[in-house]
Amino acid sequence: ETGVTQSPTHLIKTRGQQVTLRCSSQSGHNTVSWYQQALGQGPQFIFQYYREEENGRGNFPPRFSGLQFPNYSSELNVNALELDDSALYLCASSLPTASGNTIYFGEGSWLTVV
Amino acid sequence: SQELEQSPQSLIVQEGKNLTINCTSSKTLYGLYWYKQKYGEGLIFLMMLQKGGEEKSHEKITAKLDEKKQQSSLHITASQPSHAGIYLCGADWTGANNLFFGTGTRLTVIP
Repeated sequence: ETGVTQSPTHLIKTRGQQVTLRCSSQSGHNTVSWYQQALGQGPQFIFQYYREEENGRGNFPPRFSGLQFPNYSSELNVNALELDDSALYLCASSLPTASGNTIYFGEGSWLTVV
Repeated sequence: SQELEQSPQSLIVQEGKNLTINCTSSKTLYGLYWYKQKYGEGLIFLMMLQKGGEEKSHEKITAKLDEKKQQSSLHITASQPSHAGIYLCGADWTGANNLFFGTGTRLTVIP
């Protein structure tokens, strides 16, 4: 049990549409990050939120945006969907421990763009 | 990416055999994370290493960090079919908990 849950698990969208993916984590998980994982690849960092503000961004265009809420939930929004956006989207949150931060991942949301 | 290389890309072993997966970083590591992933599922946290020479174990899996080489190894003893999956190493190069991942090692364990 990672304490990180994502929804929906699967969805299909049409090119040009917009999508919102959701993530919730437990109290104490102070940062949330989103990753994109294409088939056969490792996850790629999209952006991170800390205290409801963006705190780092990978090589993704502005049509990828996010929000973090006070209740430890988060959203990933993608506008103007492209076929290449089809991927597994993973949410990760970090939990501070005595030996450093442990980063837990959710089960992911499979997005298919047609 | 050559910034973080995992080897081998795939591995097929007989049940009961030991195996090692390596992860080499081209940059100085703040932390190195190991995860296991079943196809199409989320990443399962295995271990996190921060200090040079650090070694951690969980059940039959041991991970070590060689700070001088900026390299980590994941060793599985007496492999079982339940160990099958994709093993991913993730590098934290800034201390901000943003991970850069390798392409993973696909492990198959033959009963």
